[in-house]
Amino acid sequence: DTAVSQTPKYLVTQMGNDKSIKCEQNLGHDTMYWYKQDSKKFLKIMFSYNNKELIINETVPNRFSPKSPDKAHLNLHINSLELGDSAVYFCASSHHGGTYEQYFGPGTRLTVT
Amino acid sequence: AQKITQTQPGMFVQEKEAVTLDCTYDTSDQSYGLFWYKQPSSGEMIFLIYQGSYDEQNATEGRYSLNFQKARKSANLVISASQLGDSAMYFCAMREGETGNQFYFGTGTSLTVIP
Repeated sequence: DTAVSQTPKYLVTQMGNDKSIKCEQNLGHDTMYWYKQDSKKFLKIMFSYNNKELIINETVPNRFSPKSPDKAHLNLHINSLELGDSAVYFCASSHHGGTYEQYFGPGTRLTVT
Repeated sequence: AQKITQTQPGMFVQEKEAVTLDCTYDTSDQSYGLFWYKQPSSGEMIFLIYQGSYDEQNATEGRYSLNFQKARKSANLVISASQLGDSAMYFCAMREGETGNQFYFGTGTSLTVIP
């Protein structure tokens, strides 16, 4: 059983387009995250979200928006895609409280041309 | 200042030997957590080990152990009896504070196990 899943695995699109990446977890976690990993493998948290609050990394452009229809899903919407948005995007989840040990999805490689 | 520093971009180790991957952190919080993740060439992020700031004993998980030196703010990962499958990127990470909102990753260390 897949714990944290993301779709699509690969996404190739043109500048200016709007795209979404879906994330689902079946671990019963109540906190979910989005990370961006750049070409140098640097991982940076973009958002953390539980049913009480959304925390946005202040460096994330407002073209990026998370949307959570329920506790098991946190989708990432990106408007007006730019070349610099090309990266691998990881979804993760954890329990709220305790260690906050995170479990990651397989990643979505986004290429903007 | 960097929250997590990994000073070894690349490391090599002979199969069956032990290797230490360095990690130092910077926080003024009393409550924090330290993590190590493995990222093989296939790309997924695999959780390895966790150490809480109040834990007095070093964490161990199978062949992985975390050498936690609080005063020096270091959290080195020790892999014993290296295997070829251990070749991967290794990331040190920190959860700052008592919520899940502040997570920081280091730049990673690429480990290559030589047969």
